Amino acid sequence: KAGVTQTPRYLIKTRGQQVTLSCSPISGHRSVSWYQQTPGQGLQFLFEYFSETQRNKGNFPGRFSGRQFSNSRSEMNVSTLELGDSALYLCASSLGPGLAGDSTDTQYFGPGTRLTVL
Amino acid sequence: AQSVTQLGSHVSVSEGALVLLRCNYSSSVPPYLFWYVQYPNQGLQLLLKYTSAATLVKGINGFEAEFKKSETSFHLTKPSAHMSDAAEYFCAVSGLLGGYNKLIFGAGTRLAVHP
Repeated sequence: KAGVTQTPRYLIKTRGQQVTLSCSPISGHRSVSWYQQTPGQGLQFLFEYFSETQRNKGNFPGRFSGRQFSNSRSEMNVSTLELGDSALYLCASSLGPGLAGDSTDTQYFGPGTRLTVL
Repeated sequence: AQSVTQLGSHVSVSEGALVLLRCNYSSSVPPYLFWYVQYPNQGLQLLLKYTSAATLVKGINGFEAEFKKSETSFHLTKPSAHMSDAAEYFCAVSGLLGGYNKLIFGAGTRLAVHP
């Protein structure tokens, strides 16, 4: 099976712009989660989607939003970019709640999108 | 609330030496525990996971970890380090609280392997 894919891999934006990142989960996975990775804050949970519904959200401002489509692909959007939004954004997919045989709903990560805000 | 502490942000070992990366967790519910590895400019790769089926868990690339409830630890070990093991390692906990699948990560440990 193909792994989690994320596009684009690299992105450069300027302050005030908005950006959309895309994630395609592993085939058959219905849950998609997003994480932000920075040197200062480490890996932080942004949100999780399952069956096109946001099930959980991390402690990020409303400028960060996302959605999931009927084919389980997901996008995240960041509006009014700030310098501090420069980070590696990681997408992870999993089968979904109660669908994994060992009940862990293990998450598998994509390669990430490196966003640089100038 | 759940949390993870990784002791030692940097660990350096000689090739062929034992690798020991420490992870302690805090969780109010039975935890699921994971170790992920990140190579430069890449995403996270799952090394192994604890699901309560067995306290000693074997993963990929010769790594294993032992869950010790009394010590709230889940340390990662490998008997003999290889140069290709140089990477950053993350311990994570998930209790599937409220049915939500959210990983809480430690700060990471960067492993250096020298000849």
